[in-house]
Amino acid sequence: DTEVTQTPKHLVMGMTNKKSLKCEQHMGHRAMYWYKQKAKKPPELMFVYSYEKLSINESVPSRFSPECPNSSLLNLHLHALQPEDSALYLCASSRDPFPGMQETQYFGPGTRLLVL
Amino acid sequence: LAKTTQPISMDSYEGQEVNITCSHNNIATNDYITWYQQFPSQGPRFIIQGYKTKVTNEVASLFIPADRKSSTLSLPRVSLSDTAVYYCLVGENTGRRALTFGSGTRLQVQP
Repeated sequence: DTEVTQTPKHLVMGMTNKKSLKCEQHMGHRAMYWYKQKAKKPPELMFVYSYEKLSINESVPSRFSPECPNSSLLNLHLHALQPEDSALYLCASSRDPFPGMQETQYFGPGTRLLVL
Repeated sequence: LAKTTQPISMDSYEGQEVNITCSHNNIATNDYITWYQQFPSQGPRFIIQGYKTKVTNEVASLFIPADRKSSTLSLPRVSLSDTAVYYCLVGENTGRRALTFGSGTRLQVQP
């Protein structure tokens, strides 16, 4: 099983809502990532979890709150988002925190988020 | 941070070979080069990775000259389904540079 799953596929939320994005992998990977991708732009790294501990936060606003309950699950809690936060949110995993030679990241299909 | 430069877009026709070059003048000794492919509304997908010379797999070839300041992704006999954005990443296994996507190359394959 080399799949990373993300739910929901689509999410529409108001600026006062609280919602969560979920990511799951069963490849035994110990690193998981959140990326944000705006239309026609490259993915931008948001967070890195290494062995279930947050190792990188790319100065992401606190309205985005990541959580790694166990080695297979990664959540992104959303609260008080702004319309400019509308984007495709991608989750990825890899065997090691910083993929070296012969290692890659496996990406999920993403959650398309629209903030109204 | 090592910066990568790729053409913004390329056009090709079915059956042709496509070569996409990535410039990475500041590549470090321990850096390797990784290419991903991304279709609209999907996550990126690993294509190929290399450190030097030539690497080939069932999907593509990667050519890296001796100075390693650039690399070329070669897609043989492209089809319509190869229409996608291709990203070149450069980094080593102890830093975040390997997680930094450049602007990518949008490849459009015509019938």
